[in-house]
Amino acid sequence: DQQVKQNSPSLSVQEGRISILNCDYTNSMFDYFLWYKKYPAEGPTFLISISSIKDKNEDGRFTVFLNKSAKHLSLHIVPSQPGDSAVYFCAARSGGSNYKLTFGKGTLLTVNP
Amino acid sequence: NAGVTQTPKFRILKIGQSMTLQCTQDMNHNYMYWYRQDPGMGLKLIYYSVGAGITDKGEVPNGYNVSRSTTEDFPLRLELAAPSQTSVYFCASSYMELEAPLHFGNGTRLTVT
Repeated sequence: DQQVKQNSPSLSVQEGRISILNCDYTNSMFDYFLWYKKYPAEGPTFLISISSIKDKNEDGRFTVFLNKSAKHLSLHIVPSQPGDSAVYFCAARSGGSNYKLTFGKGTLLTVNP
Repeated sequence: NAGVTQTPKFRILKIGQSMTLQCTQDMNHNYMYWYRQDPGMGLKLIYYSVGAGITDKGEVPNGYNVSRSTTEDFPLRLELAAPSQTSVYFCASSYMELEAPLHFGNGTRLTVT
């Protein structure tokens, strides 16, 4: 049973435009959400996170939105740059689970110059 | 500051052989984790540890063993390697806080033939 779902395996956008990556979850006990970015042959690196008590968190070009009622979150990248081309993983955790992260399958973002 | 270091980077095993994947972190993190990533899939938790001497199973523990004798080291042991264990293995660590992100190593690519 997949508790964190990223239904788009890939996304292609033009440089300078907005990239929107989506994530859905089923476990209502999740109370903290994170996005990771992964380049080939490297480990995932932390990008941005959001607590379930918020609906938006910004960090430079990256914004994460959380809709708890829909169990949906999204990552917006504006403006997109070629260096943003990577696999993006959505992850979630609950405080009572020893802080383990449950990951989605990832979305490959390609930003075309 | 090296972060999370994994060795080896690559390894080819024959069916039935054994090996230990090494992981060490220098951030004094309490929590450590082992994940595996299969092609087109998200990261699946194998084992985790909340401190020295304490380990617990994740989603996919069969065929693996771990130990945590020090805060810094969290080796993953594969006994009787099988082709199904062909994967990329990531070690991660974090502080014991809900909002603490996991820090990942660069992975070990293992092929069992």
